[in-house]
Amino acid sequence: DGGITQSPKYLFRKEGQNVTLSCEQNLNHDAMYWYRQDPGQGLRLIYYSQIVNDFQKGDIAEGYSVSREKKESFPLTVTSAQKNPTAFYLCASSIVTGRNYGYTFGSGTRLTVV
Amino acid sequence: GENVEQHPSTLSVQEGDSAVIKCTYSDSASNYFPWYKQELGKRPQLIIDIRSNVGEKKDQRIAVTLNKTAKHFSLHITETQPEDSAVYFCAPLINQAGTALIFGKGTTLSVSS
Repeated sequence: DGGITQSPKYLFRKEGQNVTLSCEQNLNHDAMYWYRQDPGQGLRLIYYSQIVNDFQKGDIAEGYSVSREKKESFPLTVTSAQKNPTAFYLCASSIVTGRNYGYTFGSGTRLTVV
Repeated sequence: GENVEQHPSTLSVQEGDSAVIKCTYSDSASNYFPWYKQELGKRPQLIIDIRSNVGEKKDQRIAVTLNKTAKHFSLHITETQPEDSAVYFCAPLINQAGTALIFGKGTTLSVSS
């Protein structure tokens, strides 16, 4: 998937469960990002990481957690504290030097609460 | 978060017409202004971007213009084709968010033949 892979493509979660969405890139990009997409809301930033072992909250971080133990991987955990998790989740990566800020997106994970 | 507004939210044009989408932002320190296209069921793709030292940039049928004083930038598509139908997002770089892009809510463009 163009160097950045999200899995699974579809995910179903029961009430009260935590689930983890995977995002892996082989582009040697320094920065990685998680966005949530809802109809009519655009893409809203959840978390981002510009370097290994460091990450920052975005606009809607509540109920989510991340880790960045490896440059290639940036998994997102949707916790039971996220009250409305049903959405399309997009992961992206970019380099941070040379003023090239363009993103490469993964193909997304659609999460549904059942 | 930072305020990013896109207008219009929907736009319908006839094939061959031009389309213009405007994006306003609040961070005067922003210095990178991209536009993304998302076709139905697919991931967003970067289609054009501009940096703050340039006023206009063209790539075939698409162009982006920037007015830093007024804090807005616009996407221009000429000679529209049905395959231009998609959702378009502006995503200015907000310096307080490092390299993270803040996306507008999107404009749904429909091109009818």
